[in-house]
Amino acid sequence: DQQVKQNSPSLSVQEGRISILNCDYTNSMFDYFLWYKKYPAEGPTFLISISSIKDKNEDGRFTVFLNKSAKHLSLHIVPSQPGDSAVYFCAASAGGTSYGKLTFGQGTILTVHP
Amino acid sequence: DAGVIQSPRHEVTEMGQEVTLRCKPISGHNSLFWYRQTMMRGLELLIYFNNNVPIDDSGMPEDRFSAKMPNASFSTLKIQPSEPRDSAVYFCASIRPGTIYFGEGSWLTVV
Repeated sequence: DQQVKQNSPSLSVQEGRISILNCDYTNSMFDYFLWYKKYPAEGPTFLISISSIKDKNEDGRFTVFLNKSAKHLSLHIVPSQPGDSAVYFCAASAGGTSYGKLTFGQGTILTVHP
Repeated sequence: DAGVIQSPRHEVTEMGQEVTLRCKPISGHNSLFWYRQTMMRGLELLIYFNNNVPIDDSGMPEDRFSAKMPNASFSTLKIQPSEPRDSAVYFCASIRPGTIYFGEGSWLTVV
């Protein structure tokens, strides 16, 4: 049972354009969502998060949108840069003392072409 | 801030041997998590600790796996005996409110 799904295994974008990575979830108890970036041979690096009380959170070039009714979140990267090429994971948590108990999606490989 | 430190970074061992993976969380973080990444299952939680106490070990695959956190600055994940299907990358993570930090992982190969 895949509670967090990233349906696009890969995404290719031109430098300077917008990258949109999508994530769907099924568990209504999830109330905290995170995006991680992962380079080969490294651990996941935290990018941005959003609580279920919000529908948008921005941090520089990264914006996360949350649509609770659709159980959908997306990560926008504007403008995309070649250094953004990596695997992006969305993750969800039910919060409280299980805050760090993350359920991860399968990841989307983002390639940004110069 | 040194981040979450894991050792060894790479381990190749023979089936049946004991494997011990180590983690030093970020100072001041009171929760620590062990995750495993495989091609088939992606990133999955094995066990986590709050204030050195194991809270949820439902992700530990078998009795061959055990984890300890004797103090706030150290945790181990032990596999005994190891099997080829345990080959994976094992990540340790520690949290403070709002952010979860991962170590660089321990790459385990059991032959």
